[in-house]
Amino acid sequence: EAGVAQSPRYKIIEKRQSVAFWCNPISGHATLYWYQQILGQGPKLLIQFQNNGVVDDSQLPKDRFSAERLKGVDSTLKIQPAKLEDSAVYLCASSLVGEGPETQYFGPGTRLLVL
Amino acid sequence: GENVEQHPSTLSVQEGDSAVIKCTYSDSASNYFPWYKQELGKRPQLIIDIRSNVGEKKDQRIAVTLNKTAKHFSLHITETQPEDSAVYFCAARSFGNEKLTFGTGTRLTIIP
Repeated sequence: EAGVAQSPRYKIIEKRQSVAFWCNPISGHATLYWYQQILGQGPKLLIQFQNNGVVDDSQLPKDRFSAERLKGVDSTLKIQPAKLEDSAVYLCASSLVGEGPETQYFGPGTRLLVL
Repeated sequence: GENVEQHPSTLSVQEGDSAVIKCTYSDSASNYFPWYKQELGKRPQLIIDIRSNVGEKKDQRIAVTLNKTAKHFSLHITETQPEDSAVYFCAARSFGNEKLTFGTGTRLTIIP
């Protein structure tokens, strides 16, 4: 079974520039998550989709971050404009929808450095 | 919202000894507690999880215990090996909510 795919793996930009990340979840997984992992910390949920609808975006800085999952499969996360504190690894995860808690599987992440 | 605390932040143990990492959570409605292992530069990988209707779960050298009354759960690794060196994250998820709240991580170093 193919895992969660993400691209690019690394990105270096200057502050105030824009950047976009792409995620393709495991086939059949209806739920997709974007996490931000700052060095030395645990992943923090930014946004959760179920199919193409947003379930939770309470921790997404909406003045600069946006995400979409238009067809309910792959997803993009955008930062515009980037700040120095956005330097982090952006992890995408996916899970099935079931009657109980479902395991989240993570992608390899995109490591972002904002200079 | 849920708050998960994890201790210790770093842990060094001699190869072959046991390692224990502890987490506490705040939301009594939480019902699912996974543990992830993250090697340097790699993705978090699920190593074991436990649901609230179970007090203990074991998988070879790894076990997790859950105390719902005290709202804490622990990861136990026995007969540690060098490849166990990594950062370990606990997480908790509330009933009816898919959102995972992660602990701050424990850097485990196995000393050969």
